[in-house]
Amino acid sequence: EDQVTQSPEALRLQEGESSSLNCSYTVSGLRGLFWYRQDPGKGPEFLFTLYSAGEEKEKERLKATLTKKESFLHITAPKPEDSATYLCAVQANNNDMRFGAGTRLTVKP
Amino acid sequence: SAVISQKPSRDICQRGTSLTIQCQVDSQVTMMFWYRQQPGQSLTLIATANQGSEATYESGFVIDKFPISRPNLTFSTLTVSNMSPEDSSIYLCSVEEGTGRGYTFGSGTRLTVV
Repeated sequence: EDQVTQSPEALRLQEGESSSLNCSYTVSGLRGLFWYRQDPGKGPEFLFTLYSAGEEKEKERLKATLTKKESFLHITAPKPEDSATYLCAVQANNNDMRFGAGTRLTVKP
Repeated sequence: SAVISQKPSRDICQRGTSLTIQCQVDSQVTMMFWYRQQPGQSLTLIATANQGSEATYESGFVIDKFPISRPNLTFSTLTVSNMSPEDSSIYLCSVEEGTGRGYTFGSGTRLTVV
């Protein structure tokens, strides 16, 4: 069965303190791995799609990377406005989409 | 990308009653998805709604409890029927963007059953 596990569940950083979020997955044929940001009271907002091992995507202070077993979301010099829950999802070749439980990131000024 | 309007944004309901959640998309889409998000847990797919056919429900979800309508390519409703406190959750509708951008989500409906 396809599985997505995100760690840590929660992460508190000081402003400027870089770190990484992890998404481990098992899937029967990966069509794509997605990262989303979710703010309180809102739906998830798309960040990145990764398709194959070795691929990297960047957006401002965020960089997503992908291996055959996991993906990392690196946050460089975070700011308080980066505080949110970050969700990872994998889509299998049969189009089924499975989400992780998310990492709740808090960045203190 | 598509813009989704979902309402109500939140509601507090008495047990035994029903609530209908509406989802309006600003473009025509083939499939719409309904998710439930419980605190600290991942998004769980309830059903997939195609226009002109009955919704396809995931294991653990049944039509009598979560009836879905899909009258056209831009609109869908999810009803949570005969509610109990265990139905308290956030309900989200979504559509799949065909440009490698995954899913676009509505802002969600926070349901509390008392």
